[in-house]
Amino acid sequence: GQSLEQPSEVTAVEGAIVQINCTYQTSGFYGLSWYQQHDGGAPTFLSYNGLDGLEETGRFSSFLSRSDSYGYLLLQELQMKDSASYFCAASYSGGYQKVTFGTGTKLQVIP
Amino acid sequence: DAGVTQSPTHLIKTRGQQVTLRCSPKSGHDTVSWYQQALGQGPQFIFQYYEEEERQRGNFPDRFSGHQFPNYSSELNVNALLLGDSALYLCASSFSAGVSEQYFGPGTRLTVT
Repeated sequence: GQSLEQPSEVTAVEGAIVQINCTYQTSGFYGLSWYQQHDGGAPTFLSYNGLDGLEETGRFSSFLSRSDSYGYLLLQELQMKDSASYFCAASYSGGYQKVTFGTGTKLQVIP
Repeated sequence: DAGVTQSPTHLIKTRGQQVTLRCSPKSGHDTVSWYQQALGQGPQFIFQYYEEEERQRGNFPDRFSGHQFPNYSSELNVNALLLGDSALYLCASSFSAGVSEQYFGPGTRLTVT
């Protein structure tokens, strides 16, 4: 089956920039989404890349490179409230699409 | 504009029992997907319902079944509960069977004792 790899934990300073990487399996790959989940909360959609390149949404940007089977989420001007888990989720084609989530990256923002 | 709602919030069941969880999608959405999330893990895809039919299924046994109603709401049923079924069950809604942008409900925390 498909699996996604992300770093398990990242720590960054308030105001800084952090990049969370995600690698995925290529076969049948369709697109890459990113979700944020605070402890005890539900995942919240952040961004989607269906094509190679950068998608920007405010302080968050996401990048996809199909040739490298790789994507990343970039968070700028980090705030304490950005402390959460971040998941990449790959969708795969084949009739109706299936989606596989990564195991998540726990981001801790420190003062 | 109501988001995705799920009920109940918490549930405690005994091994061998059966459970039904409910989900109402975000207004304008017609597709419901169900996920199981263990502590510290990413959501695991159970299945997706679109046009009242199961369209995709993850690696879950037949003890997990579902239904989608004409108003797009959905139920997840789990039979013969095991201790390992204890998890947060998330419902996500989207439009037209899409999975690239999903909106999640708050989840149902199921504990099996």
